[in-house]
Amino acid sequence: EVQLVQSGAEVKKPGESLKISCKGSGYSFTSYWIGWVRQMPGKGLEWMGIIYPGDSDTRYSPSFQGQVTISADKSISTAYLQWSSLKASDTAMYYCARQPMGGVGATTTPFDYWGQGTLVTVSS
Amino acid sequence: DIQMTQSPSSLSASVGDRVTITCRASQSISSYLNWYQQKPGKAPKLLIYAASSLQSGVPSRFSGSGSGTDFTLTISSLQPEDFATYYCQQSYSTRSAFGGGTKVEIK
Repeated sequence: EVQLVQSGAEVKKPGESLKISCKGSGYSFTSYWIGWVRQMPGKGLEWMGIIYPGDSDTRYSPSFQGQVTISADKSISTAYLQWSSLKASDTAMYYCARQPMGGVGATTTPFDYWGQGTLVTVSS
Repeated sequence: DIQMTQSPSSLSASVGDRVTITCRASQSISSYLNWYQQKPGKAPKLLIYAASSLQSGVPSRFSGSGSGTDFTLTISSLQPEDFATYYCQQSYSTRSAFGGGTKVEIK
């Protein structure tokens, strides 16, 4: 059974750093992209970026480039989303999702499995 | 970047109604358009991929159509469990994007 299990909810102060995780199981972790999606309170879905754990090829939305870092450790089938200095505006639910490889380097496929989400709250 | 615009942003409908949601891309995306359903407090769920392919396990009352810039999600007979928010997503470009969402509420 394919599963993506995300780390638990976090409460942080502005300026603090944070790394949340997404562990894949039930499939070949290195053969699928993993994407991250933000959902601010009461708002829609925002595509943040994706990583291919097989070779660490990473693509970012211009809106999130430089604001977050996406990484993966294929030895433990886990992807990460990291902030070096959180802001109150980073308060949101963050989802990871699996995306099949559409072809060599291709990202034309949908997100077919999703994690349960990690709620990040940033408040002084 | 490719922008995705959904309409309407919300609608009210009754059980048994036929419901249509539209999604427009700012440039041609061929058929690389996906639809998701999200219920409150839950992760999104894939319904339709490649504009018109039904994801395994999704009821046949859901269907998708379109290509190029204009796409449609249709629910042929709305069921109580279909009240949710629906999002389109383009996967044509490396940097993907979602539409703003359409909330389907009970009339």
